[in-house]
Amino acid sequence: EVQLVESGGGLVQPGWSLRLSCEASGFTFDDYAMHWVRQAPGRGLEWVSAISWNSVTIVYADSVKGRFTISRDNAKNSLYLQMNSLRFEDTALYFCAKKIHSSGRWVGLDYWGHGTLVTVSS
Amino acid sequence: QSVLTQPPSASGTPGQRVTISCSGSSSNIGSNAVSWYRHLPGTAPKLVIYSNDQRPSGVPDRFAGSKSGTSASLAISGLQSEDDSDYYCAAWDDSLNGVVFGGGTKLTVL
Repeated sequence: EVQLVESGGGLVQPGWSLRLSCEASGFTFDDYAMHWVRQAPGRGLEWVSAISWNSVTIVYADSVKGRFTISRDNAKNSLYLQMNSLRFEDTALYFCAKKIHSSGRWVGLDYWGHGTLVTVSS
Repeated sequence: QSVLTQPPSASGTPGQRVTISCSGSSSNIGSNAVSWYRHLPGTAPKLVIYSNDQRPSGVPDRFAGSKSGTSASLAISGLQSEDDSDYYCAAWDDSLNGVVFGGGTKLTVL
């Protein structure tokens, strides 16, 4: 059974940093690209970042570019999101998600974690 | 303002068929596959359609996806109370070089 478990969320002040983790199991982690998606309170889903299976290709949403860094450790079946210079508008439930196919174009995200909550408040 | 446009709400009675639309542009829906997700706030989103019209295993055939040009639709037939949820469309955007989501449609089963 595929499982994605996020952790690392919490309450921080603006300008602070936080590192999220996502532990994967039930599939061959190093075959698949992985994504982070967030949902702010009362808002819809917002894509944050993605990383290819071998970390060669990394992309970010403009809203987090230059502040967030995605990475992975295939030996530990883990995905990470280092969030620096956090802003009020980064307050959200952060989900990690697995790309459907191991190769080819993006056609969707088939498994998602339950999310970890990040609250940026003074 | 989401890149993909969905109606904020939709509704139907049990047994009815409802359709949710998703409008985009040539850089996303027009040139890439669309997927749909069911999401109850605070829970893990669930994939219900990928590659425009493919159902993952376990998703009933009451769910059907389609795409034409720069628009896509999710149709749910034989509406059930358990279908009451938020639904989001998504696609890769070649100009933004990332995934874009619709703003979400809250489906209410009356």
